[in-house]
Amino acid sequence: DTGVSQNPRHKITKRGQNVTFRCDPISEHNRLYWYRQTLGQGPEFLTYFQNEAQLEKSRLLSDRFSAERPKGSFSTLEIQRTEQGDSAMYLCASSLTVLGGEKLFFGSGTQLSVL
Amino acid sequence: AQTVTQSQPEMSVQEAETVTLSCTYDTSESNYYLFWYKQPPSRQMILVIRQEAYKQQNATENRFSVNFQKAAKSFSLKISDSQLGDTAMYFCAFMNANAGGTSYGKLTFGQGTILTVHP
Repeated sequence: DTGVSQNPRHKITKRGQNVTFRCDPISEHNRLYWYRQTLGQGPEFLTYFQNEAQLEKSRLLSDRFSAERPKGSFSTLEIQRTEQGDSAMYLCASSLTVLGGEKLFFGSGTQLSVL
Repeated sequence: AQTVTQSQPEMSVQEAETVTLSCTYDTSESNYYLFWYKQPPSRQMILVIRQEAYKQQNATENRFSVNFQKAAKSFSLKISDSQLGDTAMYFCAFMNANAGGTSYGKLTFGQGTILTVHP
């Protein structure tokens, strides 16, 4: 168990540029989640995948955001035409479906700064 | 929609003493899970303790225990024998459970409480 890995740890970009983040979940976990956390706040749910299927998207996920999980393994989160309001930490988590509820394992996040 | 409220932005405690962090939540669901997560400066969210709403017994994990009051929709975290390594941001979180107790990992978090343990 190597944990949930996120890359890059930090990303600085200029407004209007596109950025892509990667998340590698724990290998046997079939569910993967993306959350966004702004400074001084708790994380907010963005979207989740069960295997390769994206099953729910938050209203926070505007049309400029797209997430994929090809083959049910790693996931990418792309933000097009970044805005200063996109500056936040983007957290990925994975879990295994078990009876009695999910236990989420979080990565260390990607900190995005849009200048 | 569920809401989670943590009314203490910051708390401090002396090493070896006990501290309690407060959390209230609002939901119309009857079956759910509640969590406390710790986020140290390394930023990784670490699960501290978990409570199933259908269980009356309060969860405990070593020095960490909860006081779950379902009728009052209250879920506080008690940390005993506080250690310097407990210094972190603590988040209370809610997860809805589908019928039969299965669920997926959509968590609703509170705003967090910064806990500082002083030597």
